[in-house]
Amino acid sequence: AQSVTQPDIHITVSEGASLELRCNYSYGATPYLFWYVQSPGQGLQLLLKYFSGDTLVQGIKGFEAEFKRSQSSFNLRKPSVHWSDAAEYFCAVAPPSGTYKYIFGTGTRLKVLA
Amino acid sequence: ETGVTQSPTHLIKTRGQQVTLRCSSQSGHNTVSWYQQALGQGPQFIFQYYREEENGRGNFPPRFSGLQFPNYSSELNVNALELDDSALYLCASSNSDREGHFGPGTRLTVL
Repeated sequence: AQSVTQPDIHITVSEGASLELRCNYSYGATPYLFWYVQSPGQGLQLLLKYFSGDTLVQGIKGFEAEFKRSQSSFNLRKPSVHWSDAAEYFCAVAPPSGTYKYIFGTGTRLKVLA
Repeated sequence: ETGVTQSPTHLIKTRGQQVTLRCSSQSGHNTVSWYQQALGQGPQFIFQYYREEENGRGNFPPRFSGLQFPNYSSELNVNALELDDSALYLCASSNSDREGHFGPGTRLTVL
C-alpha cells in the first residue's frame, strides 16, 4: 500500500537550533516528493519538491531536504530555526505519471521556544 | 499572477443538508484537485478534474461530487451531510509541472 509516515507528531526546538523532520514513504516506484507547511487556519504552502536529479534540494525559507532512495526517506532540515517557523509540516508523495494525487503524511507540528 | 482562491471561508451546516464549495484555480492551471483535511490529520484526496472531466477519485462515497468549468474553476458538492464531513476542504490547482498550488481552504462544520 502507498503511504507516507511522519514519525514525529510534535517537535519542540529552541530558536536558533537546527531542525530535522523525518519522512518515510512506501510506494511502488520512486514518486515525486514534497514538503508543505501549514500555519494555523491556513492552506498549504510548498517548501520544496524533488522530482529527479540532485538528491539534496533547496527550498524556500532556508529549508532543504535530502532524498535517500535506499531508505525511502525525504527528511527536511533547517540549520537555524526562527520563531516564525512554528507551524505544521506535511510530507507528501505523488505519482510521476497518471492521476496527479498527493498522499500526505499525518504531519509534524513544530513548536519554537524563544 | 492570482493564486488559488476558495469560497466561502467558513460554513456551518446541519446533518442531512447539502453544501457547495467553490475554487478558482491559478491562472494557466487546467487541473484542480480537492482534499479533505480532518482535524489533526493530513489532507486526503477526494477527486481531481482535468479539462472538465473527473480524472481520478479517492476513497470517498458518491455523495461527494464535483464539477469543473471551462475557465477551470471548480465546485465540490456534498449531499446528505454527516458529522464526520466536518473538516477543512482544500483545493489545489496544477498544470503540466505537477506541482500543486493550494488555496486557503473552506472550513466546514456539520452540526
